[in-house]
Parts: sequence; structure tokens; C-alpha cells
Amino acid sequence: SQKIEQNSEALNIQEGKTATLTCNYTNYSPAYLQWYRQDPGRGPVFLLLIRENEKEKRKERLKVTFDTTLKQSLFHITASQPADSATYLCALGKGDKLIFGTGTRLQVFP
Amino acid sequence: DADVTQTPRNRITKTGKRIMLECSQTKGHDRMYWYRQDPGLGLRLIYYSFDVKDINKGEISDGYSVSRQAQAKFSLSLESAIPNQTALYFCATSDSGTPGNEKLFFGSGTQLSVL
Repeated sequence: SQKIEQNSEALNIQEGKTATLTCNYTNYSPAYLQWYRQDPGRGPVFLLLIRENEKEKRKERLKVTFDTTLKQSLFHITASQPADSATYLCALGKGDKLIFGTGTRLQVFP
Repeated sequence: DADVTQTPRNRITKTGKRIMLECSQTKGHDRMYWYRQDPGLGLRLIYYSFDVKDINKGEISDGYSVSRQAQAKFSLSLESAIPNQTALYFCATSDSGTPGNEKLFFGSGTQLSVL
């Protein structure tokens, strides 16, 4: 069955540095991949979508890459800020079906 | 005002009780979903509906039922609650299946505890 792996350990980085989160998957060929941000006690909020024929997508300080050969997506936050501290979820999509990873918690300290 | 509203925000109930979680949306979306989130397991789809007359089972539908009362309302029921249904429940909406519109909009969640 399909499997999505996100680092379960929290990522701790210093303010101003670039945070890089990883999403790996197996036994699946998604047509697109999404990243969401989730704050404690809140629902996930959509950030970016990247399609299988796209290598990279940017939005302000966010950048997502999608390597269908490696079956991996990288999510980068440049010039990170304490306000970026949250859990980040990746989700793989094909047609109407969307499968979520368990998320990686990012902590940005001053 | 929130675009996707879930009620209640928190609920404690006892084993065997029937409970209903409600979701309403003002986004005008035709698609609505119910997910549950458990630590270490991520978000899992319970049921989804693409319009008022459409109901589909998701990954973990056993023990749950849903009702799409109107385009804007989608409720989730636990007929006889059990402790392993303790979880954080999310309602979500999305626009119709047009490329570029696959993103989901989530409510703030309902924390359900079954004792």
C-alpha cells in the first residue's frame, strides 16, 4: 500500500536560516502534491500545490520541489521566523483522492 | 467569520452514546469531507460528499455515518461511540474537480473524547 514519510522528529532551527522539510513516498504515483501548515488546535491551512510535471514552485519565502524519480518533495522556508513555527503536512493527490503524511513540527527560535 | 464552522469545538461523551458533529460552510463549495487526526497517524478520511445527493465512504468509515443536509451542511454521526474514536475531527471543503482547485479548506476541528 502507499506510504508517505515525513520526519516525525521536530526540526529546530535558528531564526534567519532556511528550514528544509522532507516528504518521501512509496508505492504511489501522485499527480500533484500539496503542503499545509497546521498550528496547535487549528485545522490545516493550504500553502502550495505542485504538479507531477513541475520541478519547483515558489510563493514568497516558500519553495517546494517535486522529484518523481526520487519520490520526494522538499519544502523550504527561507529567512525563517519564529512565526513560522508550526507543523507542516504534505499530501499526495491523484484525481479526487488525497493522502496526508503525519507532518513535521518546525520550531524556529530567536 | 470562519468559512468552515464546526460545532462543538470540544465534546466529552461516554461509551455507547450517539453523538453528532456538525459542519457548515459559507464558501459555496460543493465538496465536503470529514477527517480524523490521531497522533502519529495523520489525517484519515472518514466520508466525503461531492454534492447533496452524493455520499462516499473514505478510508475509515466503520462506526460512522454522515448526512449532507444541504450544500452548506455536512454532519458526522457516531452511532455508538467507543473509546478508540477519541480523536480530533476535521471538516473540510473544496471546489469542484477543476485542475488548480484541489486544495482543501479546513474547519478548526472538534476534539472528541469517548470515556
